[in-house]
Amino acid sequence: SQQGEEDPQALSIQEGENATMNCSYKTSINNLQWYRQNSGRGLVHLILIRSNEREKHSGRLRVTLDTSKKSSSLLITASRAADTASYFCATVYNAGNNRKLIWGLGTSLAVNP
Amino acid sequence: DTGVSQDPRHKITKRGQNVTFRCDPISEHNRLYWYRQTLGQGPEFLTYFQNEAQLEKSRLLSDRFSAERPKGSFSTLEIQRTEQGDSAMYLCASSGYRGEGTGELFFGEGSRLTVL
Repeated sequence: SQQGEEDPQALSIQEGENATMNCSYKTSINNLQWYRQNSGRGLVHLILIRSNEREKHSGRLRVTLDTSKKSSSLLITASRAADTASYFCATVYNAGNNRKLIWGLGTSLAVNP
Repeated sequence: DTGVSQDPRHKITKRGQNVTFRCDPISEHNRLYWYRQTLGQGPEFLTYFQNEAQLEKSRLLSDRFSAERPKGSFSTLEIQRTEQGDSAMYLCASSGYRGEGTGELFFGEGSRLTVL
């Protein structure tokens, strides 16, 4: 079953605006990752944030993690039409001696020129 | 190109036929994952290998599905007696072992299967 749940499911904004997507999860995690997927393509890793980190930046991306609320947010600043894609969060949690990675359903982002 | 490659990119087959997909991971990565994804959904875990050992299989992986990774290099995913419900994108990903468990996954472009 899916652990991560992204919201909104779909987001449409104008070029230049900021886009914020949220991810909630259920169990304690080791790390949380965000991926992007262009239509019909594979997923591309964007950023990984560990459970002991609260915020991370990468270019126009900012990720926050609130372990008390079991949630994360991905902010894309100054969006571009090329940012149009689906964005997925994936949570990694400990399961015995293994670590498992669980995917959310994704947020579909449309950036209109 | 040293990324993950998958072949074929597209496969159309008739119900009841067998299909095989191949994945070539990044050469230094010892972990290899297979996922299935349908439209509007996130990736669903199918199975994963560490080197040549298949360490976990999802309950989604019925006995019609089999995966191998001989010699710990490329991997194949075979679906026997395909059904229309098997139509999906099959994604392969690899990752390197860093002693911390699951880190960044590197995905291929996927193999899209259409069962008529």
